[in-house]
Amino acid sequence: ETGVTQTPRHLVMGMTNKKSLKCEQHLGHNAMYWYKQSAKKPLELMFVYSLEERVENNSVPSRFSPECPNSSHLFLHLHTLQPEDSALYLCASSQEGTDGDTQYFGPGTRLTVL
Amino acid sequence: AQSVTQLDSQVPVFEEAPVELRCNYSSSVSVYLFWYVQYPNQGLQLLLKYLSGSTLVKGINGFEAEFNKSQTSFHLRKPSVHISDTAEYFCAVSDREDSSYKLIFGSGTRLLVRP
Repeated sequence: ETGVTQTPRHLVMGMTNKKSLKCEQHLGHNAMYWYKQSAKKPLELMFVYSLEERVENNSVPSRFSPECPNSSHLFLHLHTLQPEDSALYLCASSQEGTDGDTQYFGPGTRLTVL
Repeated sequence: AQSVTQLDSQVPVFEEAPVELRCNYSSSVSVYLFWYVQYPNQGLQLLLKYLSGSTLVKGINGFEAEFNKSQTSFHLRKPSVHISDTAEYFCAVSDREDSSYKLIFGSGTRLLVRP
C-alpha cells in the first residue's frame, strides 16, 4: 500500500527534543488527517486539513503543531513532549465530497518519548 | 453524537471456521459505514464500506458485511478464516449530514485465528 506514506516509521525522542513527522499522499486527495492511536484507547482524531486549511483541531496540546504546505504533504511538529505522548501516529487522506469521504491511512509512525 | 460499539474485544476462532465481528452504531440518520483492518505494526487498511445501495457489501480478503438500518448494525463476516486474518478490526461510521469530516471509530475487535 503506497497511497499514503509516513516517515519515519519509528522515532525515539527525549522530552526536550524537537522532531517532525511527515506524511505524503499520492492519491490526489484534498483532505488530510492526523490521528493518535494509544494502547487500549480508541483512535483519536487530532487535526484535519481540507484544501490546505485546518478545519478541525480536537483540543490537542500546543506541543503538537501541524503544517500542511500543499495538498499532498502533512507534517506534525513535536516539541517538549511527555511520555504519555508515546503512541502510533497515523496519517490519512480523503477526497472531500466524493466516495463517502473514505479515508485511506498510512503505515504510521511509532513514537516513543523517553 | 454518533458512537460505535464493538461488543467483542477479542474473538478467538479456529482456522477455516466462519466468523462474525459485531458492530452497532448509535444513530439511525443517514450514515456511511466502514470496516478497517490493522495488522501488527501497520496502519489501517480499508476492508469494505457501505455508502448506499445494496445492503450486502463485499470487500477484500473474502470479507463481507451487511448494513441493517433497523438494527443500526454493520456486522462483518467471513465464511472461512485463515491464520493470516489474525489482526485488529475496526468499525467506523460517519454521519452523512455532518460536514465535520469526523469518522467515529469503535474500540476494535482482535481476531485471533488458531490452527
